[in-house]
Amino acid sequence: GAVVSQHPSWVICKSGTSVKIECRSLDFQATTMFWYRQFPKQSLMLMATSNEGSKATYEQGVEKDKFLINHASLTLSTLTVTSAHPEDSSFYICSASVWDSHTEAFFGQGTRLTVV
Amino acid sequence: GQNIDQPTEMTATEGAIVQINCTYQTSGFNGLFWYQQHAGEAPTFLSYNVLDGLEEKGRFSSFLSRSKGYSYLLLKELQMKDSASYLCAFMDSNYQLIWGAGTKLIIKP
Repeated sequence: GAVVSQHPSWVICKSGTSVKIECRSLDFQATTMFWYRQFPKQSLMLMATSNEGSKATYEQGVEKDKFLINHASLTLSTLTVTSAHPEDSSFYICSASVWDSHTEAFFGQGTRLTVV
Repeated sequence: GQNIDQPTEMTATEGAIVQINCTYQTSGFNGLFWYQQHAGEAPTFLSYNVLDGLEEKGRFSSFLSRSKGYSYLLLKELQMKDSASYLCAFMDSNYQLIWGAGTKLIIKP
């Protein structure tokens, strides 16, 4: 299957700082990338859908100014958690698709964010 | 409305067979997925069913009944490495994935 690389795998940051997470499709061009957040023992929650070259579509309740998403190329999307707080600590996962749907979506390894 | 439900935890013995059920309700349906997720890792794709019936893939099989809003994942010849959470998710009419909370499968020797 296709490979999606997410970096970093884990990060610890101080409260108030910003953290950038990268999601790359290594062997295919991803027209659509999805960003999820998962709290312990809970299901994946879709945060936003990003299409290359356009603004991301955020799910209800997700602050677009806090979770900045950039999808500048067909192989890279970034999620920046701005002014992070301890409650932002979570497991963030990206997935990439070649179509504007979740069919054939491939997941990155995930990023464990801890805000102290 | 939409909802999806699966058991929180199941225990099985190495070498045995286990069936993980998933029920869902939705007005629009574009298929059901099963993913495996080991602790601290991202999910990995196991199966996708959009038509009724059983899809077999090695030790894993997935079944779907659209009229009953029901699916199951069948794992045969269980191995210790199969200990993980198994997530079911359906795709709604907007092509969004609606995720279950996952079933934690514990394999005992």
